[in-house]
Amino acid sequence: GAVVSQHPSWVICKSGTSVKIECRSLDFQATTMFWYRQFPKQSLMLMATSNEGSKATYEQGVEKDKFLINHASLTLSTLTVTSAHPEDSSFYICSAGVPGLYGYTFGSGTRLTVV
Amino acid sequence: DAKTTQPTSMDCAEGRAANLPCNHSTISGNEYVYWYRQIHSQGPQYIIHGLKNNETNEMASLIITEDRKSSTLILPHATLRDTAVYYCIAGQNFVFGPGTRLSVLP
Repeated sequence: GAVVSQHPSWVICKSGTSVKIECRSLDFQATTMFWYRQFPKQSLMLMATSNEGSKATYEQGVEKDKFLINHASLTLSTLTVTSAHPEDSSFYICSAGVPGLYGYTFGSGTRLTVV
Repeated sequence: DAKTTQPTSMDCAEGRAANLPCNHSTISGNEYVYWYRQIHSQGPQYIIHGLKNNETNEMASLIITEDRKSSTLILPHATLRDTAVYYCIAGQNFVFGPGTRLSVLP
């Protein structure tokens, strides 16, 4: 079955630094990738939709200059949290797939802690 | 994307069928219904999806009403490991609602 690898699974960084999270589709090509964040006891909140070769579409209220998304190939998308602050601490999850085909496969998530 | 409505929580006895409903009354004709579940601190796991016909796989069955305004996910013989939050999604943009927290009880 389809596998999505997300790396790192957890990261601790200092306030003011940047962190990059990778999302790879291992055995299929994904034209679309979604990025979510999830706070404890809450549902997944869609941050942005990333289509290969084009700029990401951000949801309302998500700062595109703070959460940089790159989807340069059909198997890799990255999310960079720039100038991280403690309030950015969260569980970040990606998913990858092809619209209308078999649904989307999710990564195992990245727990970011900013200290 | 169609807005979905699910019960906040449900209990089910181990070994019995778990029937999880989802309302998606504003769904468009070409929008699929997807079901995922999430176990604590993991990424969501795909369960099943469908357009208008009922679907079955090794994990579950999906019953979609004829008017496509609602659907039911059926776990035929629930086990303790099925305890999770179950999400119903209708449409392409994959926006998650609050989901249903299913507790399978021994």
